Amino acid sequence: DAKTTQPPSMDCAEGRAANLPCNHSTISGNEYVYWYRQIHSQGPQYIIHGLKNNETNEMASLIITEDRKSSTLILPHATLRDTAVYYCIVRVSISGSARQLTFGSGTQLTVLP
Amino acid sequence: GAGVSQSPSNKVTEKGKDVELRCDPISGHTALYWYRQSLGQGLEFLIYFQGNSAPDKSGLPSDRFSAERTGGSVSTLTIQRTQQEDSAVYLCASSFPRHEKLFFGSGTQLSVL
Repeated sequence: DAKTTQPPSMDCAEGRAANLPCNHSTISGNEYVYWYRQIHSQGPQYIIHGLKNNETNEMASLIITEDRKSSTLILPHATLRDTAVYYCIVRVSISGSARQLTFGSGTQLTVLP
Repeated sequence: GAGVSQSPSNKVTEKGKDVELRCDPISGHTALYWYRQSLGQGLEFLIYFQGNSAPDKSGLPSDRFSAERTGGSVSTLTIQRTQQEDSAVYLCASSFPRHEKLFFGSGTQLSVL
């Protein structure tokens, strides 16, 4: 799986959009980008994933650049409860593949009141 | 249950003792993962079960660690002759087969004195 690079920490004002970047310059054509977050003392929580098109769900939007070498997770209106470590993961998705998700160090997002 | 259940939530043991950690996945989820997370660190993959296939044990750090999954449901992670460096949060996750969205439990905090 391709390696990802994320900033170790970011701050965001409550109510503003939080934009979390992720570099994955070695991504290959069949690798997906996944985002999870981990709120303190809890297990990680799935947020969103995509291949090459931008994706949106009730939690966030995922913007993937045309060359797929980087992506941005957008939380449109951050709240204090969004304070967490956010993990960007790149993984091949093959039916029946016994491959595990590899979590890096992630970005500690702190939403400030 | 509604989510992935892990027990105990906390376990304190003495160096050299054996411990068993239990994971009860979401009903219908045939994929089950064990991870561990040391203080301030990212998640470290341990082992992966998928249905009746042979488990992927590539992440187990030593032969003191073993895991089994009975009846394709409940899983037990066993650590023999515990060491202080085994102290960590042990997280279990499950998912539908060939599905990319993992659901995590709240983990077991293991402290080896």
